[in-house]
Amino acid sequence: AAGVIQSPRHLIKEKRETATLKCYPIPRHDTVYWYQQGPGQDPQFLISFYEKMQSDKGSIPDRFSAQQFSDYHSELNMSSLELGDSALYFCASSPGPNSYEQYFGPGTRLTVT
Amino acid sequence: RKEVEQDPGPFNVPEGATVAFNCTYSNSASQSFFWYRQDCRKEPKLLMSVYSSGNEDGRFTAQLNRASQYISLLIRDSKLSDSATYLCVVTYSSASKIIFGSGTRLSIRP
Repeated sequence: AAGVIQSPRHLIKEKRETATLKCYPIPRHDTVYWYQQGPGQDPQFLISFYEKMQSDKGSIPDRFSAQQFSDYHSELNMSSLELGDSALYFCASSPGPNSYEQYFGPGTRLTVT
Repeated sequence: RKEVEQDPGPFNVPEGATVAFNCTYSNSASQSFFWYRQDCRKEPKLLMSVYSSGNEDGRFTAQLNRASQYISLLIRDSKLSDSATYLCVVTYSSASKIIFGSGTRLSIRP
């Protein structure tokens, strides 16, 4: 079965650079969530989208922004990167905002040097 | 105090043993409950939803106790492949408000 696709899988950036992470949800899933998981931490919710509109916001820094496109893929844009942004970034999708079951992608490992 | 708390473990049990974890949550408005498993440096994978009536999937049984605000996961006849971190997940009225526990590490030894 098709799963959530994230790209790139690994990304190395320097401080103050920008990064864009992409997420392609499971087909027919219209809701996308972004999470940040630091080393030894549990995933922290950043932001979510339903039908191309932001549906909820968590602990997403102002330096980050995200959007969902007409084909339901989503991009997380990160600017002025800091060392503390180094983490695994997961995207998850679900078949609707009222479905609480979320399916996670393999993640993008971002390293900021 | 975290909204969702789990014993971090590690639980180190022999193959074939039965092991149980608990997870407590502090917000009584919590609506949906799940167990995810996460292997090292991999994504969380949905293991099972947890219902008030309890539910079973093969060797795995999950229970929800709303009165005491905890959920449990029981693994019978544990296999080496069950070694992972088990994350308790609680959601509220907004599906986006999803709170992860810090996870319980399980290690199955031969």
